[in-house]
Amino acid sequence: DQQVKQNSPSLSVQEGRISILNCDYTNSMFDYFLWYKKYPAEGPTFLISISSIKDKNEDGRFTVFLNKSAKHLSLHIVPSQPGDSAVYFCAAQDDKIIFGKGTRLHILP
Amino acid sequence: EAGVVQSPRYKIIEKKQPVAFWCNPISGHNTLYWYRQNLGQGPELLIRYENEEAVDDSQLPKDRFSAERLKGVDSTLKIQPAELGDSAVYLCASSLRQTHSYNEQFFGPGTRLTVL
Repeated sequence: DQQVKQNSPSLSVQEGRISILNCDYTNSMFDYFLWYKKYPAEGPTFLISISSIKDKNEDGRFTVFLNKSAKHLSLHIVPSQPGDSAVYFCAAQDDKIIFGKGTRLHILP
Repeated sequence: EAGVVQSPRYKIIEKKQPVAFWCNPISGHNTLYWYRQNLGQGPELLIRYENEEAVDDSQLPKDRFSAERLKGVDSTLKIQPAELGDSAVYLCASSLRQTHSYNEQFFGPGTRLTVL
């Protein structure tokens, strides 16, 4: 049973527009949520996090929103750039980190 | 600063053969993780070490998998014997374990294992 779900396997967005990646979770005890980015043949790299007591965290072009009542979070990237093309993993932390299956983002020229 | 180092990067073996993976974490990181990533899936934790102690190995298939972290630095993960279903990318990560904060893990590039 998946505790962290990313229901969109892939997403294509025009360069310069906003990319929105979604994630749902089932365990209300998670205390942090994280996004990781992965390029081919490389390990995942940390992108941004949000505490469960916050509803928004922003870092440059990246903003994560958390809706605890809906057990939903989203990552917004604006404006989207070609280098943002990668697989994005949503992850949730209690005692350990549980990853979703990932969403492959394609930024179109 | 050097990142997490893993070797080999790629390994192809026949089923029933043994295989071992090696990981050197970031200097000073006390926590080390081994993950398995199957195709189209996210990383799944196999084992977590705090220094030299395995504190979470609940997802490690102990009949064929073993791991060690001697002296609390480098670690090896072994599979003996390998099965076709073990084909995956094996990721090593390390972190400075912190309480009351998110746990940023730094990943190595992984070892892609193919079992024929």
